Amino acid sequence: EAGVTQFPSHSVIEKGQTVTLRCDPISGHDNLYWYRRVMGKEIKFLLHFVKESKQDESGMPNNRFLAERTGGTYSTLKVQPAELEDSGVYFCASSQVNYEQYFGPGTRLTVT
Amino acid sequence: QKEVEQNSGPLSVPEGAIASLNCTYSDRGSQSFFWYRQYSGKSPELIMSIYSNGDKEDGRFTAQLNKASQYVSLLIRDSQPSDSATYLCAVEPGDSSYKLIFGSGTRLLVRP
Repeated sequence: EAGVTQFPSHSVIEKGQTVTLRCDPISGHDNLYWYRRVMGKEIKFLLHFVKESKQDESGMPNNRFLAERTGGTYSTLKVQPAELEDSGVYFCASSQVNYEQYFGPGTRLTVT
Repeated sequence: QKEVEQNSGPLSVPEGAIASLNCTYSDRGSQSFFWYRQYSGKSPELIMSIYSNGDKEDGRFTAQLNKASQYVSLLIRDSQPSDSATYLCAVEPGDSSYKLIFGSGTRLLVRP
């Protein structure tokens, strides 16, 4: 069974540009989560999808971040416009039921 | 006070010894608790979940939960150098959400 996949693995963009991160959950997992780890900090929750619906977006830092999950399969997280403080590692996780979450390899975002 | 607290370490143990990793949490309503292992530059890997008071064993790993003391621990028996990693404690808060609140992690070093 394939795990959670994320693309790209690394992205370097300039401040003010737009970046879109993609996550493909484990097949059959209705629950999809986005997390972020900025330098020196804990992994922090961003939002939770159940199928295509946003169940909890309490962790989204501001309206420069837009997450979508059209069709309830893969998800994208767009940052527009990117700021320096958005640099970090963005993790996606999925779960079949609302318990054990399995993480993807992450996308390392560097904003210069 | 952080929601999930862990000693950052490093915790250094000799090969073959028992490694004991500890975590405290602040939300008394929390119901689900997880231990993840993260190698440098890699994604968090789920190794244990525990939902009720007491011990849960899986191979060389034992998770212990004491909700009255708001304390969860992970014991690793017969520690191997390959166990050297950062161990993350994650707690699902008691607010009916399914997000995970992570501690900052404890770095474990197993000396050959």
